[in-house]
Amino acid sequence: GAVVSQHPSWVICKSGTSVKIECRSLDFQATTMFWYRQFPKQSLMLMATSNEGSKATYEQGVEKDKFLINHASLTLSTLTVTSAHPEDSSFYICSARDQGGQPQHFGDGTRLSIL
Amino acid sequence: RKEVEQDPGPFNVPEGATVAFNCTYSNSASQSFFWYRQDCRKEPKLLMSVYSSGNEDGRFTAQLNRASQYISLLIRDSKLSDSATYLCVVIQNTGGFKTIFGAGTRLFVKA
Repeated sequence: GAVVSQHPSWVICKSGTSVKIECRSLDFQATTMFWYRQFPKQSLMLMATSNEGSKATYEQGVEKDKFLINHASLTLSTLTVTSAHPEDSSFYICSARDQGGQPQHFGDGTRLSIL
Repeated sequence: RKEVEQDPGPFNVPEGATVAFNCTYSNSASQSFFWYRQDCRKEPKLLMSVYSSGNEDGRFTAQLNRASQYISLLIRDSKLSDSATYLCVVIQNTGGFKTIFGAGTRLFVKA
C-alpha cells in the first residue's frame, strides 16, 4: 500500500534553533501534502495544505513565516520551524494523497521538544 | 456546529464485546468517507473506507447512511489491541477537495 515516510521521528533542541522536517511519499505521486500538529490528548490540527509547485495555504492562526513549507516535488515536502521556542513543542504529522477524493496517508510523525 | 461530529467517549468495554461508533456530517457535498485509527503517540492509520452498501473487514463493519448523513463503525469481539482513538473522516468536494477529520472517539478494551 501507499507509504509516507517522515524524518526525523524525534528532535530535541535548544530554543532559537530552526528545525526541518521532511515528508516523502514512497510509492505514489503526492499532488497534495498536509501538515498537522497535535498536542497531547487533543485532535489533529491542520496547519497548512501544499500542492506541488505552489505556495502552501495556511490555516487561520498559523504563522507562515514561522512554519515554512516547501513542496518542490511530487514526492517531497518539508516543514521548517524557524526559531523554535518551547511552545512549539508538539507532535507534527504530515500526510499526502495522490488525487482529490482519495484518503490521506500519514507519515510516522515527528515529536519536537524545544528546551 | 462542527462539520464532522463524533462522541468523544471514552468507551470502556470488556474483551469480546461489540461496540459501535457513530459520526455525523453536516455538508451534503461530502462524497468520500473513511475511518482511521490512531494509537497513543502515533500517526493516524487508515482503517477502512465507508460505502452506502456497507464495508466489512473481519471484525469491523462500516456503514454510510447518506439520507441521515451519518457513518457508523461496528467492532465485534473486541480485543485489547483495539484500544485506540477512532477518527471519522469526510472528504468534501466543493470545487476542490477538502478533508475534514472528526475529533475522534476513544475506545478502551479491558480484560
